[in-house]
This record gives sequence, structure tokens and C-alpha cells, in this order.
Amino acid sequence: DGGITQSPKYLFRKEGQNVTLSCEQNLNHDAMYWYRQDPGQGLRLIYYSQIVNDFQKGDIAEGYSVSREKKESFPLTVTSAQKNPTAFYLCASTERSWDYGYTFGSGTRLTVV
Amino acid sequence: GQQLNQSPQSMFIQEGEDVSMNCTSSSIFNTWLWYKQDPGEGPVLLIALYKAGELTSNGRLTAQFGITRKDSFLNISASIPSDVGIYFCAGPLRGNNDMRFGAGTRLTVKP
Repeated sequence: DGGITQSPKYLFRKEGQNVTLSCEQNLNHDAMYWYRQDPGQGLRLIYYSQIVNDFQKGDIAEGYSVSREKKESFPLTVTSAQKNPTAFYLCASTERSWDYGYTFGSGTRLTVV
Repeated sequence: GQQLNQSPQSMFIQEGEDVSMNCTSSSIFNTWLWYKQDPGEGPVLLIALYKAGELTSNGRLTAQFGITRKDSFLNISASIPSDVGIYFCAGPLRGNNDMRFGAGTRLTVKP
């Protein structure tokens, strides 16, 4: 079955470290997105990519970086510049950038220790 | 950025009761989406609404696109324990790359 796979499910990071969250989809979707979820808040967009080798900043891109070298992969790196990285991170994709039906992964919970 | 105002923040109901929640915005949306998120998982799309006044059902769930295009409503009839979760409204403000989400309504169903 097609879907989006995020890994790992849980990640612990020491202060000052960079960590990379994986997002892979086998849905042949063009557009992919990274969202951050904090308790009691709506999802906030970090980065998005409409096609391979192209990506754009979302509302809260500072302290994060991404790459889109392959259509099926959109990894997110949380850098040491991100001051408050503890959160639940969600990856999503759509078939076309104007298709409103997001498919979400199951998320990665990042905790700074 | 512009967020959607979702209410109530949380609901505690008895199994079998009906549930109503809503989402409002100061901006006009041409699409309204409702998602459900189970604990520790990603949201799953429940209902999509594309026309003002539209009323759409998915099993025991019914959602409506407000006439003003600034609000939407979700109703759940005869709730069951597996309805527990967080329900989010969402809408693309200026396209799919500008999707806005409500803060969610956390639903607890007591058996």
C-alpha cells in the first residue's frame, strides 16, 4: 500500500546537535510539506517543495533546512540554531501543489535532552 | 500567519451523545477541510468541502461549509469510544502552500 513513512518515531537530541528527520513517500506525489505541531496550537508550516530540487520556506523556517533530491524523499534537518526544537514533526504530501487532500505521515517526536 | 479559530478547545462527552464543533476565520476560504488526529499519529482527512453552503457526510460525520465562506461546522452523531482524538479544521488561504490549521478540538468519549 502507498503512503508516507516518517522515521524515527522518537528522536532525542542533545543541545548543539543537528538531527535529520526522514520522510519518504511512494504515492508519486509532487508536493511535500513539513509541519511542526506544538500542544494546543495548529500546525505550522516549516518548508515545502513542489518539485524535485526546489523548496520554499514556510512560516517558521529559521533553524531548519531541507533537501529534495528525489521525488519520494524530503528530509528535514533541525539545526542547532533552532532554539526550541522539542515538538512533534509531521510530513505531508499531495499529488499536485493545488490538490488540497494532504496525506500525512505518522510523525516524529523530537525531544531535546 | 492567519490561523483559524476553532471551538471548543476540548469536549468531554458520554458515549452515544452527538458532538458539534466549529471553525471561524476573518478571511474567506474557498475550501474547508476537516482532519482527525489519533494520539501520536498524523492527521487523517475526514471531509473536504468546496462550495459555500455545501453539506457533506461521511458515516456519522457531517460537515458544512458556511454561507459566508468564513466558517465551517463538524457534527458527529452517536459518538463511540474510537471517536476520541483531536479534530482539526484547515483551509488553503492562498493556495495549497498556504494551508491554515485550527488549534484543534480534543474530544474525549466516556463509555
